[in-house]
Amino acid sequence: NAGVTQTPKFQVLKTGQSMTLQCAQDMNHNSMYWYRQDPGMGLRLIYYSASEGTTDKGEVPNGYNVSRLNKREFSLRLESAAPSQTSVYFCASRQRVGNEQFFGPGTRLTVL
Amino acid sequence: QQPVQSPQAVILREGEDAVINCSSSKALYSVHWYRQKHGEAPVFLMILLKGGEQKGHEKISASFNEKKQQSSLYLTASQLSYSGTYFCGTETIGGSNYKLTFGKGTLLTVNP
Repeated sequence: NAGVTQTPKFQVLKTGQSMTLQCAQDMNHNSMYWYRQDPGMGLRLIYYSASEGTTDKGEVPNGYNVSRLNKREFSLRLESAAPSQTSVYFCASRQRVGNEQFFGPGTRLTVL
Repeated sequence: QQPVQSPQAVILREGEDAVINCSSSKALYSVHWYRQKHGEAPVFLMILLKGGEQKGHEKISASFNEKKQQSSLYLTASQLSYSGTYFCGTETIGGSNYKLTFGKGTLLTVNP
């Protein structure tokens, strides 16, 4: 039981490049989430998917897109990376409202 | 809207107690508590639900004042392993209950 997995673990991009962060969970959870974490800012929600087939914006969605590929997988895409997107990105999942969230190990992204 | 945590940081000696507070301006359905060690993903500690239900680790103690929309996490007889950043996350009533909004965190340092 791997829980929540994320790839890659580290990534360095140049301004303007694009990339996709991958997330998968093997707990049959309905809801999945993408957060970014910056020093002193806590965890800020980028996008979430309450259930397979739905996605919604969180607090800081600008510059990102998401795809809920199936119940297991939820990807985050940066179309044209900017230095302001340098951050640690966490994916999380949970079964339903009121249940605990399980976090992936994170992706450390640097945009030069 | 992010919940507000206090204090921002606290330093303890092993064996001392601490209280971390979390407050929201919105009516809450639940409050979640997570701990994050440096370079790692947040780890679930406890959920407190409207109506009084609690789920979490037996050694963790917390309260939820539904009238004031406030929660407190009680760390007693602290151990070195308690060091880390503590985050509260809130789910609000009336909005989208599928998303968890986190505070900026409280850095707890326990010294020998």
